[in-house]
Amino acid sequence: EAQVTQNPRYLITVTGKKLTVTCSQNMNHEYMSWYRQDPGLGLRQIYYSMNVEVTDKGDVPEGYKVSRKEKRNFPLILESPSPNQTSLYFCASSYLGTGMYDEQFFGPGTRLTVL
Amino acid sequence: KQEVTQIPAALSVPEGENLVLNCSFTDSAIYNLQWFRQDPGKGLTSLLLIQSSQREQTSGRLNASLDKSSGRSTLYIAASQPGDSATYLCAVRAQGGSEKLVFGKGTKLTVNP
Repeated sequence: EAQVTQNPRYLITVTGKKLTVTCSQNMNHEYMSWYRQDPGLGLRQIYYSMNVEVTDKGDVPEGYKVSRKEKRNFPLILESPSPNQTSLYFCASSYLGTGMYDEQFFGPGTRLTVL
Repeated sequence: KQEVTQIPAALSVPEGENLVLNCSFTDSAIYNLQWFRQDPGKGLTSLLLIQSSQREQTSGRLNASLDKSSGRSTLYIAASQPGDSATYLCAVRAQGGSEKLVFGKGTKLTVNP
């Protein structure tokens, strides 16, 4: 089954304790992206990757890191989480083409609470 | 800067009614437009994708239209059911740069039995 998986689905942590949210897709997509969703602000892009070893900042990258060592995986790293990073996080992936762009597939989300 | 607006923010209708959700965007330089459904606290389910060269797409009781030149899209839901209750999000895939999806804030739909 074609899918984007994220782990963990729920996480409660404390300020300053490093954490990683994993994202994996099995569709051989070049493009992967992280979004966060906050009430009243909607979904905003954090980081994206066009392919292996190619990553770049989105609209709200502060406090986050990513890596793309393999095509299927795109982990989101919070090295020193703070309460303002409490949010619902989504990973997404899609093909990249010329002209026609395929739909983005989303993972189930990770609800993060930073105390 | 691309901005996406969805009106109304909330809509309540009786079961069986046909309804239209609206989405507008400020920059016509898009690759495609995607409609999603989100249940409370859940993930995003893709409903329909319209490429920039297309005018509409249909899936079951759903029909989405796109008028790129005017920066508008509509999602038409026929014969609404209580199970359609959810938040509907519109997103455009912006050309250039991050290729990101720019989302509207959604329309929360309630279908009353």
